Amino acid sequence: ETGVTQSPTHLIKTRGQQVTLRCSSQSGHNTVSWYQQALGQGPQFIFQYYREEENGRGNFPPRFSGLQFPNYSSELNVNALELDDSALYLCASSLVRGEDYGYTFGSGTRLTVV
Amino acid sequence: AQSVTQLDSHVSVSEGTPVLLRCNYSSSYSPSLFWYVQHPNKGLQLLLKYTSAATLVKGINGFEAEFKKSETSFHLTKPSAHMSDAAEYFCVVIITNAGKSTFGDGTTLTVKP
Repeated sequence: ETGVTQSPTHLIKTRGQQVTLRCSSQSGHNTVSWYQQALGQGPQFIFQYYREEENGRGNFPPRFSGLQFPNYSSELNVNALELDDSALYLCASSLVRGEDYGYTFGSGTRLTVV
Repeated sequence: AQSVTQLDSHVSVSEGTPVLLRCNYSSSYSPSLFWYVQHPNKGLQLLLKYTSAATLVKGINGFEAEFKKSETSFHLTKPSAHMSDAAEYFCVVIITNAGKSTFGDGTTLTVKP
């Protein structure tokens, strides 16, 4: 059984640019959630996708968007990058009822905006 | 709305002594509660979960947590700390069917030899 893999592991972008982060879900999981973890803080929920549709969203602006593909892999896109977007971005996959089974997390993508 | 408060940002114990990491939550709906551990430069690992079955939940590596609805608490305990337990611990609440999860700010556990 494979785990959750994220790419790239590290990324440096310039303010105003756009970035795409990728996540491959654990085999058999059809739900994916994305989180932002700033240094010294707990992960903040960005959004969740189930069967290619957004299934819940946290307090993040529309420039944070996502996609989930038929193979359940997913992307997080961030437009018009700001310095405060610098953080560790975590992807987590689960069976449909993540609240019953919990989430399997990837190791994250460290994004630095300069 | 839902929220999670981890009452201690840092906890320090000696190896072999008990561990208590405290978590209080608030939720308008019936929540599922989790504890995750994050070791340096590694992803989050599920320790245990409460999903409205038994109120005393056993997890991996000897950790337990007790759900107390009257106190809205879900404290994490371990009878005897090991050096390898040193890490960041997060309490998480997930609202059933809402697809939204809320993490606490984390508790850093230090284990002294």
